[in-house]
Amino acid sequence: QSALTQPRSVSGSPGQSVTISCTGTSSDVGGYNYVSWYQQHPGKAPQLIIYDVTKRPSGVPDRFSGSKSGNTASLTISGLQAEDEADYYCCSYAGSYTFGVFGGGTKLTVL
Amino acid sequence: QVQLQESGPGLVKPSETLSLTCTFSGGPISGYFWSWIRQPPGKGLEWIGYIYYSGSTHYNSSLKSRVTISVDMSKNQFSLRLSYVTAADTAVYYCARTVSGTPHFDYWGQGTLVTVSS
Repeated sequence: QSALTQPRSVSGSPGQSVTISCTGTSSDVGGYNYVSWYQQHPGKAPQLIIYDVTKRPSGVPDRFSGSKSGNTASLTISGLQAEDEADYYCCSYAGSYTFGVFGGGTKLTVL
Repeated sequence: QVQLQESGPGLVKPSETLSLTCTFSGGPISGYFWSWIRQPPGKGLEWIGYIYYSGSTHYNSSLKSRVTISVDMSKNQFSLRLSYVTAADTAVYYCARTVSGTPHFDYWGQGTLVTVSS
């Protein structure tokens, strides 16, 4: 069982928006502004798409955005494209002892 | 262009020690944390531990008794040793650069599958 809870799957049609949630506790997501999101295509390494809750690395389209409210972080993908179909993982800082905890992953299907 | 590449045996026997090396190129090793992360087949990601370029380490508490991470700055390499492996340690193992003292992994290796089997 993962430390952070994500929906197993979400889906959307091209051009639509989808939001993936990542629920933790006050000891991780709710306690720090250090949530990151990763996109993973089959057989590939994860790729960082959001860090520090809302920041996008250079080269990541602005269709990807992050937010947080309380103990839940969210990744929103707007203007869905076929290439967005992938697994998405959240990760949060959980204090100096635990360091980092991941969510179980969400499979995004573009219909 | 920052690149990381894992190397090591793809098959390890139960109770033996898994050893992997990550070679880094395209930038300095100093100033960063360097992590190992694994993913069992069909499952999610698990952070194993990190080493700071200075040599200080921090491990996942669930693996701490079996994990050792070391760094060789002269070779731009860092290594993972996981002892007393079982089938539950079968996974794709990734090395990743960690930008600060938070779990923010900006560059990843391609990953290497390690199977634990006799």
